[in-house]
Amino acid sequence: DAKTTQPPSMDCAEGRAANLPCNHSTISGNEYVYWYRQIHSQGPQYIIHGLKNNETNEMASLIITEDRKSSTLILPHATLRDTAVYYCIVRVEVNEKLTFGTGTRLTIIP
Amino acid sequence: GAVVSQHPSRVICKSGTSVKIECRSLDFQATTMFWYRQFPKQSLMLMATSNEGSKATYEQGVEKDKFLINHASLTLSTLTVTSAHPEDSSFYICSATEGGLGNQPQHFGDGTRLSIL
Repeated sequence: DAKTTQPPSMDCAEGRAANLPCNHSTISGNEYVYWYRQIHSQGPQYIIHGLKNNETNEMASLIITEDRKSSTLILPHATLRDTAVYYCIVRVEVNEKLTFGTGTRLTIIP
Repeated sequence: GAVVSQHPSRVICKSGTSVKIECRSLDFQATTMFWYRQFPKQSLMLMATSNEGSKATYEQGVEKDKFLINHASLTLSTLTVTSAHPEDSSFYICSATEGGLGNQPQHFGDGTRLSIL
């Protein structure tokens, strides 16, 4: 699976949009981009995933660049409960394994 | 959404004890479940892939005789840490996926914090 690069930490003001970037420059055509988050002492929570089109659900939006070499997870109105480590993972379609990197520690500031 | 239940949430036991952790998919059938381990301030590391009705596939460096995995049904996988020692103290997390298609997300349990005294 392709490697991803994320900033180690980010801060965002409560109520503002949190934009979390991820680089995956070696992504191949059959690899999906997944986002999970892990709140302290809990298991990871699935947020969203996509292949090449932008995706939106009740939690977030995923914007994937046209060349698919990077993506951005957008939390439209961040709350204090969104403080967590966010993981961007690229996964081959037929390989169900998830390889977690170090993620981005997002802190929402009151 | 899909729910994965993990039990117990916390275990404290003496060195040399064997500990069993259960992972259940509550509202879907999971042909494949995964076991991860997470040490403090580190990311999740995949230990093994658990396949219903067959032997688990272990990642390099994970001792299969120490971490016994059983996936006897489509909704239950168990991880047994045999003869646990203090260095086995960690946060153990399972996950499950609904189907064979690679674009289905994995859903995670809330983890088991294992402390060996």
